[in-house]
Amino acid sequence: SYVLAQPPSVSVAPGQTARITCGGNNIGRKPVHWYQQKPGQAPVMLVYDDSSRPSGIPVRFSGSNSANTATLTISRVEAADEADYYCQVWDKSGDFDVLFGGGTKLTVL
Amino acid sequence: QVQLVESGGGVVQPGRSLRLSCAASDFEFSDYNLYWVRQAPGKGLEWVALILYDGSKKNYAGSVKGRFTISRDNSKNMVFLEMNGLRPEDTAVYFCARGFYQTSLSGAFDLWGKGTMVTVSS
Repeated sequence: SYVLAQPPSVSVAPGQTARITCGGNNIGRKPVHWYQQKPGQAPVMLVYDDSSRPSGIPVRFSGSNSANTATLTISRVEAADEADYYCQVWDKSGDFDVLFGGGTKLTVL
Repeated sequence: QVQLVESGGGVVQPGRSLRLSCAASDFEFSDYNLYWVRQAPGKGLEWVALILYDGSKKNYAGSVKGRFTISRDNSKNMVFLEMNGLRPEDTAVYFCARGFYQTSLSGAFDLWGKGTMVTVSS
């Protein structure tokens, strides 16, 4: 079955750029979606279809996807960005399964 | 207010059953696919089940197939998760979520409930 690999943690200083990766075999061929989850809260859709942002999501959040790696980039990181981030794809090789990456904890130093 | 609100969680013994509900408000419920996603304490997100907008297709994660059943009542704007044969590893917060692309089995989940906690323990 298809597997998504995320680094468990990423640390960045305020004002810098954070990059969170999501690896998978030929993931560049699949639309990738990203969520932000803060402690005790439900996930929030951050980026969909690789690089599109829902209304209300700051332009500081952007996504890209190519070959075997999708990347969520957070520019000008703020303390409020400290959260868990998850990537998600669909596996349609079988019966339409939804897959999440293991999640990445972003720490703002 | 556009929202999803889960209910029905609680503490249950292994092997017993529990039924979760998710009530939708202020959107055309019957136009959307719905999903259940769970999160064990301190762990990541795990998709559990999906149901098409008209109930014509359902699918389940391998970890719950044969034990959980998803259903919906479009007249009441509700989706359900019937959980049988519960195991300690089913302990998690259960979220219901709405599909961004409405009736297509693709895309992201654009609306989430706050979740309901299920604890399976003797």
